[in-house]
Amino acid sequence: QKEVEQNSGPLSVPEGAIASLNCTYSDRGSQSFFWYRQYSGKSPELIMFIYSNGDKEDGRFTAQLNKASQYVSLLIRDSQPSDSATYLCAVNKYNQGGKLIFGQGTELSVKP
Amino acid sequence: DTEVTQTPKHLVMGMTNKKSLKCEQHMGHRAMYWYKQKAKKPPELMFVYSYEKLSINESVPSRFSPECPNSSLLNLHLHALQPEDSALYLCASSQDGGTGMFTDTQYFGPGTRLTVL
Repeated sequence: QKEVEQNSGPLSVPEGAIASLNCTYSDRGSQSFFWYRQYSGKSPELIMFIYSNGDKEDGRFTAQLNKASQYVSLLIRDSQPSDSATYLCAVNKYNQGGKLIFGQGTELSVKP
Repeated sequence: DTEVTQTPKHLVMGMTNKKSLKCEQHMGHRAMYWYKQKAKKPPELMFVYSYEKLSINESVPSRFSPECPNSSLLNLHLHALQPEDSALYLCASSQDGGTGMFTDTQYFGPGTRLTVL
């Protein structure tokens, strides 16, 4: 079992719809979770981080964390073609030197 | 400002060449990282420097040699690379890496696209 798992996609949504990206993790002791967006040929860009159970909103993005279910998600409201990218979920192994463990990434395509 | 800079943007080298990748940050961060990313794969950690000391080496071959001259600079020296080492090399930095702060957040530079012929 991989430590961080994501559906690789591609996930295709129409413009204006809500895109839902999901991530599960295996280490129950994990405390911090990050979503990065990566455009093709570019480097990962931090979108959001979340530490506490529940929802965290930032503009069109909402991160959701459920530690009991070991589940993190990212919702993108009013999806735009410019949101088309690969979204990487990462867990901070802060007790192992601070290394980030990434999921395989979900490719999102927003169709006009 | 969360800027990490990397040079060069692109690098083509032969298997007998020696080259270096450079990374710089001026955010006062005390941890710096090297990642390697192959196409359609997530970044894979190579090295971590925390407070200018090498804290993690993920069993990287010795043809990759990291160096941290000061808290703002990180180099990756390359020698006798193989074609399979062609990848995007990413540098990242964070405020407190390795100190046990679960709130620590990594910011990535733009990367160096390396091609080994």
